[in-house]
Amino acid sequence: QVQLQESGPGLVKPSQTLSLTCTVSGGSISSGSYYWSWIRQPAGKGLEWIGRIYTSGSTNYNPSLKSRVTISVDTSKNQFSLKLSSVTAADTAVYYCARGGRSSDFYFDYWGQGTLVTVSS
Amino acid sequence: SSELTQDPAVSVALGQTVRITCQGDSLRSYYASWYQQKPGQAPVLVIYGKNNRPSGIPDRFSGSSSGNTASLTITGAQAEDEADYYCNSRDSSGNPVFGGGTKLTVL
Repeated sequence: QVQLQESGPGLVKPSQTLSLTCTVSGGSISSGSYYWSWIRQPAGKGLEWIGRIYTSGSTNYNPSLKSRVTISVDTSKNQFSLKLSSVTAADTAVYYCARGGRSSDFYFDYWGQGTLVTVSS
Repeated sequence: SSELTQDPAVSVALGQTVRITCQGDSLRSYYASWYQQKPGQAPVLVIYGKNNRPSGIPDRFSGSSSGNTASLTITGAQAEDEADYYCNSRDSSGNPVFGGGTKLTVL
C-alpha cells in the first residue's frame, strides 16, 4: 500500500519561502507510471493544483504560481519537495502531496494526510 | 475561476439516488475523476477513467459523461456519503484542474 507523508514547518513568515517534503513509502517514486504533485486547500475553500514532477525531473506548474514555485525530486530518498517563495497570507492552506496516474484522463490515487501551513509574522 | 463548474450544494434523501455534475470544455475529450472529502480529511479518489472504482469504493458510486458534462452518481445514498465532492480533469493548457466542489447533504 502506497503512503505519502508531508513534512515541514507549520508556520512561515510573510515574504519567506515555504518548504515542504513528501516522503513516499510502500512503492518506488521512480515508477514511470506516475507523477508526483502538490495540491493545496485554503480553509473552507476548494482544491488548487500547484504543480507536478516526473521522475525524469520534468515539471509543470500552475501558471498562477509558476513564478514562485519549484518542485524537485530525490529518488534516492523516495521524496519530492515543494518550495514556494515570497509567501503571503493568501498562501495559508493545507498542503497535500499526491500521486498522479500517467493517463490522458487525470486522476490522483494516493494522497498524503495534508499539512497546515500558516503564513503569519 | 475554475475551468470546471460544479453546483455548490446538493441534497439527497437517505437511500435515494443523487447525481453530482461537473461541466467543462475538456470533458468533451477526457474523462473526469471524482474525489470525496470529509471534514478534516484528505480527498479520496472514488471514480476515475470511464467508470473505474479504486479498491474499497462501494459500487453505489458510478461515473458517466455526456458532452461537456461529467456526472458522479450515488445510487442509494448512505449517511456516510455526506461529504464534499470534487471533479478533476485538465485545463486548456493541459494541466490538472479541480472543480469548485459540491457539498452533498444526506437528509
